[in-house]
Formats: sequence, structure tokens, C-alpha cells
Amino acid sequence: GQNIDQPTEMTATEGAIVQINCTYQTSGFNGLFWYQQHAGEAPTFLSYNVLDGLEEKGRFSSFLSRSKGYSYLLLKELQMKDSASYLCAAYGSSNTGKLIFGQGTTLQVKP
Amino acid sequence: SAVISQKPSRDICQRGTSLTIQCQVDSQVTMMFWYRQQPGQSLTLIATANQGSEATYESGFVIDKFPISRPNLTFSTLTVSNMSPEDSSIYLCSVEGVQGHANTGELFFGEGSRLTVL
Repeated sequence: GQNIDQPTEMTATEGAIVQINCTYQTSGFNGLFWYQQHAGEAPTFLSYNVLDGLEEKGRFSSFLSRSKGYSYLLLKELQMKDSASYLCAAYGSSNTGKLIFGQGTTLQVKP
Repeated sequence: SAVISQKPSRDICQRGTSLTIQCQVDSQVTMMFWYRQQPGQSLTLIATANQGSEATYESGFVIDKFPISRPNLTFSTLTVSNMSPEDSSIYLCSVEGVQGHANTGELFFGEGSRLTVL
């Protein structure tokens, strides 16, 4: 079957670093996405990993290990506005646009 | 990135009625995708809308319930037919990013249409 697993909730302190893990099992694989979704809003694109390794974009970094079916999103220097749901998603096949989403990790940043 | 406009942004509907959601993209795209996000849940792909052909539906979704139109390369509609409270969701239109003539792999979402069925 096809499955994306990520923790349901996480809490962290402003200014700290948090790592959100994601494991996936898909019939095919063409990339791993991370999206940020604030309550009541549409998801916004954060990162897309196709190859193994770490990709850094400012305060956010995303890591992928294809052999382990594992990814993580790393958020540094947390700010209150980072409180949101973070969605891990993968292409389950070569069909463009057909993303399989995890349930999302709700991150609460506390002062 | 693509700019995607959806309307209505939200609506309250009566059971048994139908509502059509419109999605407009600021550039020509081959495929447009319709997702659903039920309360407290993640996103699920409903169907892929291709210009000039019938939409391709995912398991659990049928054309009679969710008819889709794709009249040109920048526009699509999704109709939620004969609505019931279980159809209360956010419906999201999305497209893949394009750079030159190549797809970038990034999927961009519209702001969503939040439907509440009473």
C-alpha cells in the first residue's frame, strides 16, 4: 500500500530548532514535498527533494533518504509565525500532480 | 510560481443542492488538479483535469458526483453535486510549476473553497 507517516503534533520554543520527520511507502517515487499550511489557508510550497541529501532554504531545510523512505523538515530560529501544520507529501507514481499527503504535523511555537 | 484564483472562497450550501467552484490560473498549464481537504484531515486528490479530454478520477470519486470541466488551458471548474454534510470540505485547485517548457515538479495550490453543507 501507499502510506505517509508523520507525527500529529509537536511543540517547540521560539528561537529553537525543530525537526519534523516523515516516512513514506509508495508504489513509485518521484519526489518528496513539504508544505506549510496555516489554519484556514491553502498549503504553501516549502521544498521538493528528489535526490538524497539536505537542501537548505534560509531557516528551513529538508532532507531525503530514498533508501530509507525517510525525510525530515528542519526549522531553525523558530518564530511564532511558524506555528502551522506541516504536510509531507510524495508522488506515488510517475503521474504528475498526484501527491499522496501525510496527515500533517501541527507545530505549536511557544514564547 | 503560478497564481491560482479560486471562487467562491467559501459558501454555505443546503443539502441536495450543487455548487460549482471555479479555478483560474495566470498561465497555460496542461494539467490541473482538484484536491479535497476534509475537516482535520490532509489533502486527497479527487481528479486530474486535462484540457480537451475527460477528467481522470481517483478511487472513491466519480464523475456524477464531481463533474469537472476544462474548457481551456487556464481554467477549470469542479461541481460538487447533490451535496450532503459529508461534502463539507475545503476544495483546492492546483497546478504544477513550469519553467520554460519543463515542469518543475512543484505543486502550487489555490486559496481553496471552503464549503459548509447544512
